[in-house]
Amino acid sequence: AQKITQTQPGMFVQEKEAVTLDCTYDTSDQSYGLFWYKQPSSGEMIFLIYQGSYDEQNATEGRYSLNFQKARKSANLVISASQLGDSAMYFCAMRENPGSARQLTFGSGTQLTVLP
Amino acid sequence: KAGVTQTPRYLIKTRGQQVTLSCSPISGHRSVSWYQQTPGQGLQFLFEYFSETQRNKGNFPGRFSGRQFSNSRSEMNVSTLELGDSALYLCASSLGQLNNSPLHFGNGTRLTVT
Repeated sequence: AQKITQTQPGMFVQEKEAVTLDCTYDTSDQSYGLFWYKQPSSGEMIFLIYQGSYDEQNATEGRYSLNFQKARKSANLVISASQLGDSAMYFCAMRENPGSARQLTFGSGTQLTVLP
Repeated sequence: KAGVTQTPRYLIKTRGQQVTLSCSPISGHRSVSWYQQTPGQGLQFLFEYFSETQRNKGNFPGRFSGRQFSNSRSEMNVSTLELGDSALYLCASSLGQLNNSPLHFGNGTRLTVT
């Protein structure tokens, strides 16, 4: 079974509107972290937001917020007031906590296009 | 503060050759990880180094190896290159041991094997 599932290969949103990118995950660990990254066409992976499994509040960072529903094992990214510069590939990732392993497992990504 | 620096940005090699990629982490970061990104397989973990020790290795053949130096800089080596090794290789560094420490990635090295 895939550990991180992003079911939307591509999404379109009108400039200034909000958009939600879906992410579901699968883990048996109680302690884990969820991350969202943005990858523009230049290739660099840009860290956007983090949510810990024990965090009771949804994480927010500027225009980014994470809709964390632990029972459903979902961690959707919400981008408010979309800008043209938000057009990029977005990846959801998870770090499980088996000992000290620090690797991230990534989903397949969602290509977001912001329309003017 | 300077970000993660990867060199070179682009590389073209032929099958059978070997290649070395370099990564300088953010100052103060002691953990360096490497990932391979391809259209077919997505982002896959290669290995992680901390204080010059390999802490974890992904499911890649022994042709893929790496090392970390005392200044935390890291190199990744691929020997006997195959066409399927063509990919974007991303290096990432992180600050601490906490679960919430994000990985900070470089711009990547795009390797093309012909």
